[in-house]
Amino acid sequence: EDKVVQSPLSLVVHEGDTVTLNCSYEVTNFRSLLWYKQEKKAPTFLFMLTSSGIEKKSGRLSSILDKKELFSILNITATQTGDSAIYLCAVEPISGAGSYQLTFGKGTKLSVIP
Amino acid sequence: GAVVSQHPSRVICKSGTSVKIECRSLDFQATTMFWYRQFPKKSLMLMATSNEGSKATYEQGVEKDKFLINHASLTLSTLTVTSAHPEDSSFYICSAGDRGLSGYTFGSGTRLTVV
Repeated sequence: EDKVVQSPLSLVVHEGDTVTLNCSYEVTNFRSLLWYKQEKKAPTFLFMLTSSGIEKKSGRLSSILDKKELFSILNITATQTGDSAIYLCAVEPISGAGSYQLTFGKGTKLSVIP
Repeated sequence: GAVVSQHPSRVICKSGTSVKIECRSLDFQATTMFWYRQFPKKSLMLMATSNEGSKATYEQGVEKDKFLINHASLTLSTLTVTSAHPEDSSFYICSAGDRGLSGYTFGSGTRLTVV
């Protein structure tokens, strides 16, 4: 059974701090790992990672995947109050005939205080 | 921990037929269930929010007569795609909101293909 574990579950930091969110996974026939940010309605897609060691960056956010150790990290530098959200990690396996299922972690609730 | 079981994981149906997708919370009571549709480039669109015992709240642009949502009990919410068309082919996923620290619990999704 596919499994995704995120840590920490909850994190409180001050504006300007740098945070690292962790996601470890167990999945049969790994295809990709996805990071989302959820504030209110739908999770907002952040990154899709398929290859080990290649960092993806978007502004103050960056993420990297280690397929050997089966984990990914999401870094946020110079945090702002607008970064407060639940960050979700999901893994996507390769399944037969092009179908797939997503397995989500429980999320990390990040609170950035002024 | 909290688990949401979503079935079926994959379904292929003919155009014009209806398909029902179920999401069950296995070890907790899900008073609220969110239904999403995944679009290319992995974005998730919220379709509707269902609350146990009341009518679902649909997002703008989502046809409530086409995507019927029922949340009859605290452990079961269903999405029925009525008179499905090929453009309804997509990946549908549910999640139960958890107002506590553990965040949202997602189902594993349903890949719908309408032929």
